[in-house]
Amino acid sequence: GAVVSQHPSRVICKSGTSVKIECRSLDFQATTMFWYRQFPKKSLMLMATSNEGSKATYEQGVEKDKFLINHASLTLSTLTVTSAHPEDSSFYICSASGGTGTALRGNQPQHFGDGTRLSIL
Amino acid sequence: DAKTTQPPSMDCAEGRAANLPCNHSTISGNEYVYWYRQIHSQGPQYIIHGLKNNETNEMASLIITEDRKSSTLILPHATLRDTAVYYCIVRVRGTNAGKSTFGDGTTLTVKP
Repeated sequence: GAVVSQHPSRVICKSGTSVKIECRSLDFQATTMFWYRQFPKKSLMLMATSNEGSKATYEQGVEKDKFLINHASLTLSTLTVTSAHPEDSSFYICSASGGTGTALRGNQPQHFGDGTRLSIL
Repeated sequence: DAKTTQPPSMDCAEGRAANLPCNHSTISGNEYVYWYRQIHSQGPQYIIHGLKNNETNEMASLIITEDRKSSTLILPHATLRDTAVYYCIVRVRGTNAGKSTFGDGTTLTVKP
């Protein structure tokens, strides 16, 4: 089945550091990937839609200069949290739609990475 | 995307069927119903989806009412490992459909 790999799974770093999170679709091509953020005991909140070869689309209230998204290939999207501060600490999750050996179809389910737990000290 | 409503929590005895309801009364004709679950500290896992017909796979069954305003996810023989938050989502189909709006979901606790 379709697999989405997210790396790293956990990051602990000092305030002011920039952190890059990778999201890869392992056995399918994904022209679109999605980035979510999740606070403890809360639901997933969509941050942005990552489009291969073009600019990402950000949800209202999400700072595009703080959360840089690059989707340089059909299998890789990256989220960079720039100059991270303690309030950026959260669980970040990516997803992509697609299936093994199939072109992207409209009713394909999303497949999620295992998330990255970011802790800023 | 249409909004969904789910009960915040449910309990189920191990080995029994777990029936998780979802209301999506504003669903439109081009929206599918998807179910995902999230086990603590992991990414959501796809379970099943459907448009108007009932669906079954190795994990679960999905029953969609005739008017499509509600659905029920059925885990036929719940195990302790099925304890998770279950999310019901409706989503427009299309060539780049994938954007999902997550509600609060139902926390299912399977008890021995």
